[in-house]
Amino acid sequence: GAGVSQSPSNKVTEKGKDVELRCDPISGHTALYWYRQSLGQGLEFLIYFQGNSAPDKSGLPSDRFSAERTGGSVSTLTIQRTQQEDSAVYLCASSHFLSGRRPPSGNTIYFGEGSWLTVV
Amino acid sequence: AQKITQTQPGMFVQEKEAVTLDCTYDTSDPSYGLFWYKQPSSGEMIFLIYQGSYDQQNATEGRYSLNFQKARKSANLVISASQLGDSAMYFCAMREGEVNTGGFKTIFGAGTRLFVKA
Repeated sequence: GAGVSQSPSNKVTEKGKDVELRCDPISGHTALYWYRQSLGQGLEFLIYFQGNSAPDKSGLPSDRFSAERTGGSVSTLTIQRTQQEDSAVYLCASSHFLSGRRPPSGNTIYFGEGSWLTVV
Repeated sequence: AQKITQTQPGMFVQEKEAVTLDCTYDTSDPSYGLFWYKQPSSGEMIFLIYQGSYDQQNATEGRYSLNFQKARKSANLVISASQLGDSAMYFCAMREGEVNTGGFKTIFGAGTRLFVKA
């Protein structure tokens, strides 16, 4: 697509329920990132994918969080047994590494509009 | 480990004046890239400017310039002739391993909220 697409844009869920957040990156982008942003705060790195593999999962807050990416395209972030502290905006981003190419044509990270998660 | 520090939680600037937003970083990788993003109240993340660690000159994009001091590991953003529409949150970010395809992890600083006064 033309940009990074995330769904749902808003999600209200009850504590203890599982949620799935979806990210459709820009076509051809090899890298995909998930960040979490609490209200008024900075971006907390969660995980990134290089193709279908996730070289770095160190940012996932707990084992309730997991993510996968299939076909080098769409990614799903799953939060099991949601807690109120999980409430935040979950931002997905993608980029394409082109050696020798400077942003914005290469290397720039493009963000989606985010999925606003509220756990009540 | 990567680390990005933005020490100014909030900044005020008078319209039409220049402002500098600070960013320092820490990495042991000689190859890295530095980014600045703007996040207005709408929440979208807007790419502003990029500096590669091997770039000889400071990056400039319109009213934005990056004051890159490699030895001090700082990458301050300078906005000239501030406009009311510049009021937003500004994030500095770093990605290691820019020269090869192995580096994609990108981390962000805590951000600086800029208020432009009329």
